[in-house]
Amino acid sequence: DAGVIQSPRHEVTEMGQEVTLRCKPISGHNSLFWYRQTMMRGLELLIYFNNNVPIDDSGMPEDRFSAKMPNASFSTLKIQPSEPRDSAVYFCASSSGQASQPQHFGDGTRLSIL
Amino acid sequence: GDSVTQMEGPVTLSEEAFLTINCTYTATGYPSLFWYVQYPGEGLQLLLKATKADDKGSNKGFEATYRKETTSFHLEKGSVQVSDSAVYFCALIDSGGGADGLTFGKGTHLIIQP
Repeated sequence: DAGVIQSPRHEVTEMGQEVTLRCKPISGHNSLFWYRQTMMRGLELLIYFNNNVPIDDSGMPEDRFSAKMPNASFSTLKIQPSEPRDSAVYFCASSSGQASQPQHFGDGTRLSIL
Repeated sequence: GDSVTQMEGPVTLSEEAFLTINCTYTATGYPSLFWYVQYPGEGLQLLLKATKADDKGSNKGFEATYRKETTSFHLEKGSVQVSDSAVYFCALIDSGGGADGLTFGKGTHLIIQP
């Protein structure tokens, strides 16, 4: 079975540019999560969706960040404009939605803002 | 709020040594507990989980027991291998029934020397 698929794997761009990260969850999973991993702060939840609806976006650092889930098989995380402090690894995960069920992670997007 | 505390690394052991990585948590509800493992350049993979007190999760020789009285979920393995070298994350979900994001510890970098 295909796991969670993220693209691109690596992104290097200049400060001020728009960045779009993409995620395809596992088919049949109805919850999708975006996390950010940095050395300083570890893994942080940014936002999560249940049945394509954003449930909690309190982890989104500021208005420059936005996320959408137009259908059950696709989500995007957008940063506009990007800043060097946004450099991190961004992970997407999906699950069946029950708290006891594990989240399955993609391989992440390593983002570098110059 | 919820939090997870795990021992700082790196932890360096010789092959076939006994491993313990400590993890304690605070939660307002009755969480499900997880250990995830991250190999270099990859996403997080679920290692094991436990959903109620005294449950023991196990996988690939690793074990952890959900101890409600001590709010702990320590990871153990009787004989480690070089291939176990990775970063290990303790995590919880405290959702009260819905699907919430994971709260992670900072991660413990494990290095196994031949």
